[in-house]
Amino acid sequence: EVQLVESGGGLVEPGGSLRLSCAASGFTVTNAYMTWVRQAPGKGLEWVGRIKSKPERGTIDYAAPVRGRFSISRDDSKNTLYLQMNSLKTEDTAVYYCTTYSWVVDSTRGNWFDPWGQGTLVTVSS
Amino acid sequence: DIVMTQSPDSLAVSLGERATINCKSSQSVLNTSNNKNDLVWYQQKPGQPPKVLIYWASARESGVPDRFSGSGSGTDFTLTISSLQAEDVATYYCQQYLRTPITFGQGTRLEIK
Repeated sequence: EVQLVESGGGLVEPGGSLRLSCAASGFTVTNAYMTWVRQAPGKGLEWVGRIKSKPERGTIDYAAPVRGRFSISRDDSKNTLYLQMNSLKTEDTAVYYCTTYSWVVDSTRGNWFDPWGQGTLVTVSS
Repeated sequence: DIVMTQSPDSLAVSLGERATINCKSSQSVLNTSNNKNDLVWYQQKPGQPPKVLIYWASARESGVPDRFSGSGSGTDFTLTISSLQAEDVATYYCQQYLRTPITFGQGTRLEIK
């Protein structure tokens, strides 16, 4: 069974840092496009960024609001994705979801997000 | 960036009645490599991650009731629930996956009238 489990959320002061983790099972993150999506309280879904698979050089793309402050990486030995968040702002407060492309378990499927983790809450407040 | 705009923002429909949610993209999301629209619909209930309902604009995900259907092409798309059930109360999002940045509609909150 394909599963994603996020951890590392919590309360941090503005300007602080936090690292989120996403442990994957049922597939290898090395061969997947791994993505972070966030959702501010009571708001909609916002794409944060993506790391491509190793065969595609692991190219990383970020959304404009987080570029230069957030960093996506993975540890292939642990089959885990990370989101390093620096210089945090109050507007970064959100539930952060880890997700991947649906073709990771079935190559006939496409580039929509499935499955998703349950999310981890990050609160930036003084 | 491709901007996704949903309408309405919220919707109240009686049980057993039809619910229709629209999604408009600022540019075509037709993928010319496979002639499919790179548009997905998600359902999200409070405290849960999004769940795939419809992909490629009109293909129903396995296990999704057939009262859910998707239509449209290019820039205009519709999600229809033919006969609203109580368990359909949720927020619905469209999303384009043609190119990055991946973008979502703002969401439509569906309630029972």
